[in-house]
Amino acid sequence: QKEVEQNSGPLSVPEGAIASLNCTYSDRGSQSFFWYRQYSGKSPELIMSIYSNGDKEDGRFTAQLNKASQYVSLLIRDSQPSDSATYLCAVFHSNSGGSNYKLTFGKGTLLTVNP
Amino acid sequence: DAGVIQSPRHEVTEMGQEVTLRCKPISGHNSLFWYRQTMMRGLELLIYFNNNVPIDDSGMPEDRFSAKMPNASFSTLKIQPSEPRDSAVYFCASSPRSITGMANYGYTFGSGTRLTVV
Repeated sequence: QKEVEQNSGPLSVPEGAIASLNCTYSDRGSQSFFWYRQYSGKSPELIMSIYSNGDKEDGRFTAQLNKASQYVSLLIRDSQPSDSATYLCAVFHSNSGGSNYKLTFGKGTLLTVNP
Repeated sequence: DAGVIQSPRHEVTEMGQEVTLRCKPISGHNSLFWYRQTMMRGLELLIYFNNNVPIDDSGMPEDRFSAKMPNASFSTLKIQPSEPRDSAVYFCASSPRSITGMANYGYTFGSGTRLTVV
């Protein structure tokens, strides 16, 4: 059973601070990693993807990947109240024959940014 | 592109009634996924299709649930008979079929159907 673990939170940070969201995964062969943001009552939307070890920056968002530690994180700099949402980590993996592949989602971390 | 289109947006039905949820994936996406989301269990994968063929339905909770994909542009999830514990938000998502496509682009979700069974 491929597992993706996230701290359910809630994570509460003041406006302007850095929010750090973490995710661990069990399948060492996982190939790519995604962060989705889900506002209350809305559907998940893709905000970041990362495939290689290291950091990937997109505006105020930075995704970090460490495959040796099986760990991926999302940093949100200068957090805004509009960033308040649930953040879902998703991991892409396939079986050895390449016939079955899909994303596995964590349960999400609720982030609250306080004005 | 209009994205993944789901209907209806909201459904309220009485226990025992049949419920049909509908999904139109993004054109060219050959993988389609049905999820259920609740506060307690999070996002649960019910079933997914590749090229209209069901690949993994191990997440379908019981025989009351069934899903079909008669062509590349349409899928249904049916619950018969419905029960109050089926109340949840049901999402449909689609993705490119290839390993490379899915690995690079992930899934795109529809707006969801909020089902309430009373």
